[in-house]
Amino acid sequence: DTAVSQTPKYLVTQMGNDKSIKCEQNLGHDTMYWYKQDSKKFLKIMFSYNNKELIINETVPNRFSPKSPDKAHLNLHINSLELGDSAVYFCASSPTGANYGYTFGSGTRLTVV
Amino acid sequence: GENVEQHPSTLSVQEGDSAVIKCTYSDSASNYFPWYKQELGKRPQLIIDIRSNVGEKKDQRIAVTLNKTAKHFSLHITETQPEDSAVYFCAARKGSARQLTFGSGTQLTVLP
Repeated sequence: DTAVSQTPKYLVTQMGNDKSIKCEQNLGHDTMYWYKQDSKKFLKIMFSYNNKELIINETVPNRFSPKSPDKAHLNLHINSLELGDSAVYFCASSPTGANYGYTFGSGTRLTVV
Repeated sequence: GENVEQHPSTLSVQEGDSAVIKCTYSDSASNYFPWYKQELGKRPQLIIDIRSNVGEKKDQRIAVTLNKTAKHFSLHITETQPEDSAVYFCAARKGSARQLTFGSGTQLTVLP
């Protein structure tokens, strides 16, 4: 029973393509997130959704768009991929309330060639 | 917004020795401080957390201390083992914030 699952695990694509990464959680959490981890391991927040409402949108390019059909899913769509988009993307979820940490998905390694 | 600084960026210890990783935070309203361990190629996993009403918390070989006055908190690993080798992240969050703010990570290497 995977708590937070992401697909695909690896994604290799050419510059200019459009791709999607899917994320699903079965923990009943109210908030889901997307983080980007670069080669230096820094975890950068991209988006979070709470009850299907976007509540955080950091300064990411508008080529990135989150889509949440329900509170158990938060997918990430990326248009016109660039070399600099290569990174590991992590989905995460958490319950409502400040005193809870995240449960992360297993990550998607995106390589743009 | 919140800013979390983490030191050192790399740390090597001999097996059996202790390891200490330190973090400072900027927002005095922060009240939740988790630590994550990320093994190579794996997801970050929560290993211990502390809330602002507690000064110290232990879980077997791992302990976290919090100094609210100085706005810093530390992770202590005793009797280190090779399987403790990983990247460790601290984080902080205040009650009104949805997101955690992460430190930049510490690569811990335990030498056999």
